[in-house]
Amino acid sequence: GAGVSQSPSNKVTEKGKDVELRCDPISGHTALYWYRQRLGQGLEFLIYFQGNSAPDKSGLPSDRFSAERTGESVSTLTIQRTQQEDSAVYLCASSPGLAGGGLYEQYFGPGTRLTVT
Amino acid sequence: QKEVEQDPGPLSVPEGAIVSLNCTYSNSAFQYFMWYRQYSRKGPELLMYTYSSGNKEDGRFTAQVDKSSKYISLFIRDSQPSDSATYLCAMSVYRDDKIIFGKGTRLHILP
Repeated sequence: GAGVSQSPSNKVTEKGKDVELRCDPISGHTALYWYRQRLGQGLEFLIYFQGNSAPDKSGLPSDRFSAERTGESVSTLTIQRTQQEDSAVYLCASSPGLAGGGLYEQYFGPGTRLTVT
Repeated sequence: QKEVEQDPGPLSVPEGAIVSLNCTYSNSAFQYFMWYRQYSRKGPELLMYTYSSGNKEDGRFTAQVDKSSKYISLFIRDSQPSDSATYLCAMSVYRDDKIIFGKGTRLHILP
């Protein structure tokens, strides 16, 4: 079966522009996460969706960042008025969720490498 | 103090050696402990997980949790060049939603 997919794989944008990053989770996975990984750094939690519950946005670094998820499918992470410090790899992960046996089992996509010039 | 501490390395060891990777943590409520492996330019993949204290073995890999010391380890036996990657520890509170990741340790296995 297909894994988590993300698009685009690479994105170069000018400072001040808006960008949209897409994540297609594994079918049936109720939980979806977005992380940011700066060069040589660990994973920085951004936002978490679980079913129809209100998302956990506690990791979003500023109000320029937002994310949406349609039901239990595709999610979009939007960064408005991009800054150079937004340059990073943005990783999406999905999980079967508690009902599926474990939130710890996160399946990651390949990431979107964002470069803000 | 960060919730999860992990030495970033890099750690270079000769092929065939036993590798020991470690993390410490501060939150005594953590119950689930995981190790993820991340190859260059790829997303992390779950390698092993353990619940509460104890050891778990899977082939050449052994995960160990010492809750009294708030210390977890991953041992790799008979290390191979293909084990060269970044290893991230991760942990979560029982039935909690959020997983906290360490920064990862870069491992190089020298042929």
